[in-house]
Amino acid sequence: DAKTTQPNSMESNEEEPVHLPCNHSTISGTDYIHWYRQLPSQGPEYVIHGLTSNVNNRMASLAIAEDRKSSTLILHRATLRDAAVYYCILKYNNNDMRFGAGTRLTVKP
Amino acid sequence: TAGITQAPTSQILAAGRSMTLRCTQDMRHNAMYWYRQDLGLGLRLIHYSNTAGTTGKGEVPDGYSVSRANTDDFPLTLASAVPSQTSVYFCASSEERNTGELFFGEGSRLTVL
Repeated sequence: DAKTTQPNSMESNEEEPVHLPCNHSTISGTDYIHWYRQLPSQGPEYVIHGLTSNVNNRMASLAIAEDRKSSTLILHRATLRDAAVYYCILKYNNNDMRFGAGTRLTVKP
Repeated sequence: TAGITQAPTSQILAAGRSMTLRCTQDMRHNAMYWYRQDLGLGLRLIHYSNTAGTTGKGEVPDGYSVSRANTDDFPLTLASAVPSQTSVYFCASSEERNTGELFFGEGSRLTVL
């Protein structure tokens, strides 16, 4: 079963870049890597996803290692509104998408 | 745009009683999911459905049942609630496997006394 490992928490200063790591050493060749975040008292929201190549969108960038055993979510300039729990998820067995505990990001002004 | 609608927003329930959490989506997504989130923990998948008429078990299915009679609705039923089922429940949907973005509802807070 493909699983992910993330640090429990990270801190960043406002306006600085943030690199959130995720290890997924047992990823299969067809698993997509998804990232979601959950703001306080809200449901999770989609951030980005990718398969092999690095991906960019208006919210973040996703850097995927060449062997696909790890990935990094990059927030280019953290704001206070980016304080949230960030989840790295792999697709597992049909649509059985399982979230771990995620990384709690604190952004300091 | 409504997206995912969950009801009720919150509920207090006596142990042993039954309860159905409702989830409706208006995006015609094939896949739907139910997660629970407990204080300080991430989301844990209870049940999911790839398409109308099919369901599957997630990480923590015991004590819960689901049905998927049509594309839009995916109710979650607790037949006999226990205090350990006190949690925030999130429903979600996605259009496609693997690549599909998950859209979440606002959550239903359930307290079982």
